[in-house]
Amino acid sequence: DVQVVESGGGLVQPGGSLRLSCEASGFTLRNYWMTWVRQAPGKGLEWVANINEDGSEENYVDSLKGRFTISRDNAKNLVHLQMDSLRVEDTAVYFCARDGNYYDDRRYYDALDIWGQGTLVTVSS
Amino acid sequence: AIQMTQSPSSLSASVGDKVIITCRASQGIKTDLGWYQQKPGKAPKFLIYGASNLESGVPSKFSGSGSGTDFTLTISSLQPEDFATYYCLQDYTYPRTFGQGTKVELK
Repeated sequence: DVQVVESGGGLVQPGGSLRLSCEASGFTLRNYWMTWVRQAPGKGLEWVANINEDGSEENYVDSLKGRFTISRDNAKNLVHLQMDSLRVEDTAVYFCARDGNYYDDRRYYDALDIWGQGTLVTVSS
Repeated sequence: AIQMTQSPSSLSASVGDKVIITCRASQGIKTDLGWYQQKPGKAPKFLIYGASNLESGVPSKFSGSGSGTDFTLTISSLQPEDFATYYCLQDYTYPRTFGQGTKVELK
């Protein structure tokens, strides 16, 4: 089965750090961009960051630049999200998703086509 | 960052109803828009890419349209499994941005 599975969530104190992992299976990770999306309790989806196929390009939501870092290890089929200087407002379920490539009418499109079940990060003292 | 505004934020509908959800971008994004469905406690599910193209396996009761700044998601005949929250996502530029979501509830 084509899937991604997140891990690494948990309870952390404000100012602490946490590293999330996303393990891919059933597809060739090195062929895809990968994305992290988060969802605070009772709130909507927030795009966090993505990374290109070989890890040479990263993009972030402006509000998280400098605190969060996305990385990948294609040999181990893993994508990571390093979260530093955590704040209470970072409390959320963090989803990993595959950036699929889709083609229509002479154009390519991105779409988050495979999602994990999410991992909960709670920042609290 | 491009702002994506969905309306309504929530709606009540009955089984069999036609439902239309709109998504407006703060600037033109061509047709670089996707739609996602999320049920409580579950991961989002990808429905539509390029504003109007159904992902494989998505029922044809779902359709999308629009370009530039205004987009719609239509569910032609609402079924019990369609009660969920729907999100648009622009993939025109970085950072990517989601709409705030539209919750479709049973009337």
